[in-house]
Amino acid sequence: AQKITQTQPGMFVQEKEAVTLDCTYDTSDQSYGLFWYKQPSSGEMIFLIYQGSYDEQNATEGRYSLNFQKARKSANLVISASQLGDSAMYFCAMREGRGYKLSFGAGTTVTVRA
Amino acid sequence: DAGVTQSPTHLIKTRGQQVTLRCSPKSGHDTVSWYQQALGQGPQFIFQYYEEEERQRGNFPDRFSGHQFPNYSSELNVNALLLGDSALYLCASSFGQGSNGYTFGSGTRLTVV
Repeated sequence: AQKITQTQPGMFVQEKEAVTLDCTYDTSDQSYGLFWYKQPSSGEMIFLIYQGSYDEQNATEGRYSLNFQKARKSANLVISASQLGDSAMYFCAMREGRGYKLSFGAGTTVTVRA
Repeated sequence: DAGVTQSPTHLIKTRGQQVTLRCSPKSGHDTVSWYQQALGQGPQFIFQYYEEEERQRGNFPDRFSGHQFPNYSSELNVNALLLGDSALYLCASSFGQGSNGYTFGSGTRLTVV
């Protein structure tokens, strides 16, 4: 079974608008961490935001916020005030329990239009 | 403060050959993980090294092996290359066990012909 599901292969957003990227996850562990990464065409994975399973508040980092709905097992990324430089591939990932690996989704391509 | 450095950036190999990819972790990091990212897909975990030992491995055959040196740098070796091994290979470093602070390199693009 897929650990991380990202159902939006690609999205277009107008500059200065907000965009929401969907992510659902599957785990039986009580302790886990959820990550969002940005991957521009250069290939480097750039860390955006982290949410721990026990964190009561939704994580925020500048223009990025994570809409964490634990009961629904979803961890959607919201990018506010989109910029042209936000055009990239975005990946949701999870680290479970005491494991060391990150499990990634298939990614969502975001294209910001001027 | 240097981030994660990977070499080479691009590589072309022939089926059946062997390849070695290298990774220098971010300063202060002691743990290195390797991921394979096929075109259009998310990265897949290969293995992680800590204290010069492999401590977790993903679903990859024994053709994939690694090493970590005392200075925390790491190598990924792939033997008997297959066309399907063509991918971007990403290295991620972190500090200690169970860290959530992963820093990725820009990867090595391997093409097997």
